[in-house]
Amino acid sequence: EAGVTQFPSHSVIEKGQTVTLRCDPISGHDNLYWYRRVMGKEIKFLLHFVKESKQDESGMPNNRFLAERTGGTYSTLKVQPAELEDSGVYFCASSQGSAVGYGYTFGSGTRLTVV
Amino acid sequence: AQSVTQPDIHITVSEGASLELRCNYSYGATPYLFWYVQSPGQGLQLLLKYFSGDTLVQGIKGFEAEFKRSQSSFNLRKPSVHWSDAAEYFCAVALIQGAQKLVFGQGTRLTINP
Repeated sequence: EAGVTQFPSHSVIEKGQTVTLRCDPISGHDNLYWYRRVMGKEIKFLLHFVKESKQDESGMPNNRFLAERTGGTYSTLKVQPAELEDSGVYFCASSQGSAVGYGYTFGSGTRLTVV
Repeated sequence: AQSVTQPDIHITVSEGASLELRCNYSYGATPYLFWYVQSPGQGLQLLLKYFSGDTLVQGIKGFEAEFKRSQSSFNLRKPSVHWSDAAEYFCAVALIQGAQKLVFGQGTRLTINP
């Protein structure tokens, strides 16, 4: 089966611009997660979708970040306007069940650089 | 504060040598414990996990980890590393059964000398 696909793999944008990251989960996986790793720090949870609904968005840093999952398939994460501190690697993961014990499958991440 | 600590940011070992990567957590109860690996250009791959039972857990690629409650540790080991093990390794915890998100440590980058 195809894995979790993220694109772009890299993005370099200027401060103040808008960027949209996309994640295609494994087909049939209702649960989709976004995580972020800021430079040299730990990977942190951003939010969790169950189908098209946001189950938990407690990790979203501020209202410049908007995540959507229309139709319960792929998801987008938009950053508008981007700030320097948004630079990092954004990971997406999907799973069949919602508990971590089911096992996530992670994508290879999108490296975002804001200059 | 609750946290996951990987004290070694970067480790270098020779091919064929043994490896131990450290992970400590700070939580009131025993969490659910995981080790992930990220090879260059790849996503995070689950190496192994511990929920309960035998405290020595076997994983993929010849890795194992031992849960020590008294030390709040979950160290990852491999008896003989291969050049392909060069990657970044992440320890992670989930606080409760049914938890829906992971808390990660900062990661340990492993370099293998030929």
